[in-house]
Order: sequence, then structure tokens, then C-alpha cells
Amino acid sequence: QKEVEQDPGPLSVPEGAIVSLNCTYSNSAFQYFMWYRQYSRKGPELLMYTYSSGNKEDGRFTAQVDKSSKYISLFIRDSQPSDSATYLCAMSPAGGTSYGKLTFGQGTILTVHP
Amino acid sequence: DAGITQSPRHKVTETGTPVTLRCHQTENHRYMYWYRQDPGHGLRLIHYSYGVKDTDKGEVSDGYSVSRSKTEDFLLTLESATSSQTSVYFCAIKTGGPQETQYFGPGTRLLVL
Repeated sequence: QKEVEQDPGPLSVPEGAIVSLNCTYSNSAFQYFMWYRQYSRKGPELLMYTYSSGNKEDGRFTAQVDKSSKYISLFIRDSQPSDSATYLCAMSPAGGTSYGKLTFGQGTILTVHP
Repeated sequence: DAGITQSPRHKVTETGTPVTLRCHQTENHRYMYWYRQDPGHGLRLIHYSYGVKDTDKGEVSDGYSVSRSKTEDFLLTLESATSSQTSVYFCAIKTGGPQETQYFGPGTRLLVL
């Protein structure tokens, strides 16, 4: 079983829909949680960053972390065609011995159609 | 883009030949990483570096070696390329400060025939 599980989709929604993307994980040492967005044939770009549990909002994007359930989510409100991309969750433990190494989910392919 | 460049951006090579990919950064970050990305696997860590001449293995290091003789350059070598190493390779750096996270380069597409 992978340390981080992410439904690969693909997920197709109409413009304006609310999108929910999710990851589950098994390593209770994970403390830092990130979402990356990756457009086709590009490198991943950091979208959201959260430390420990709680919510974080940035414009149309909201990241949630529920450490008790080992579950993280990314919500996209009023989705736009420009949001069409692959979304990757990533996480890492705290502490210097981790060397900042990230463990990634396999990515969810999202298409927002006009 | 965190000042990261990768070269070459595309490469086609034959099985059994050595291949070296270069990652260059301009912002003096201590930590650098090499990943490969394949369908169904997300990003998997190959090797990482925590300083000049300080490197260690990641999850999928077999068949790969790395070197870091200068802060700004992190080289990934496929000692004898195999078709299973056909992939997209990404370099990343880790920033410091209160929000430590990784930023990625544009990637190198490698095809091993």
C-alpha cells in the first residue's frame, strides 16, 4: 500500500462548479501538506501549503487537513477552464532528519469544460 | 520559477549509453532533489543533496548516480540507460524560512530506445 493515495480521476466538471480533490495517507509523522498544480508538459507549481491541521484559503482555493483521519482536501470554487491541470498532493514529516523529502500522491487529472 | 534550469530539455538515447542530466539553480539553496514522473506513479524521489558533496538515495535510486561539486549544480547520471528509465525528470530545490517547500524546474523528457 502506498503511503499517499490519490484518486487519479480523470475528473471532468463544468465551468463554475466546485471541485473537491482528496488524498489519504498512512504516515502519522507527516506534518507539512502541499498541493501542486501541473499543466501539461510543465513542472509542478506550488498552489497551497499547510502546516499540521486546519484550513487555509487563498482566493478560490481552500486546503483542508484532518490529521485525525489522515485526510487532506483541496477545494476549488467557481472553477475555470484555466484550472484544467493535474493536481498533486504532497507531504513531509517535520524535523531535520527528513531533509525536506516529499511524498507525492499520483495526481488527479482535472478538466473544466466551458 | 525559483531560478531553476534543466538541461537538456529533451533527449533521445540508446540502451546501454550513459546519460547525464543537469540541474542549475541561481539562488544558493542548500537542498536539491531529482525526481522522475511516470503515469500512475506521480513523482518519485531518485536522489537528493543537502550540500556540496552531500547526497543520499531516494525511493528509486537503482541505476542512477548523482554529483554535486558546486552549490548551483546537481547532476543526475544514468550509468547505462535502460528503456525503463524513459521518463520525465524533474529537479527541485527547497527553500528555507517559515514555509519550507520545494520548487520545481521545467523537466527533462528522456526517451531510451
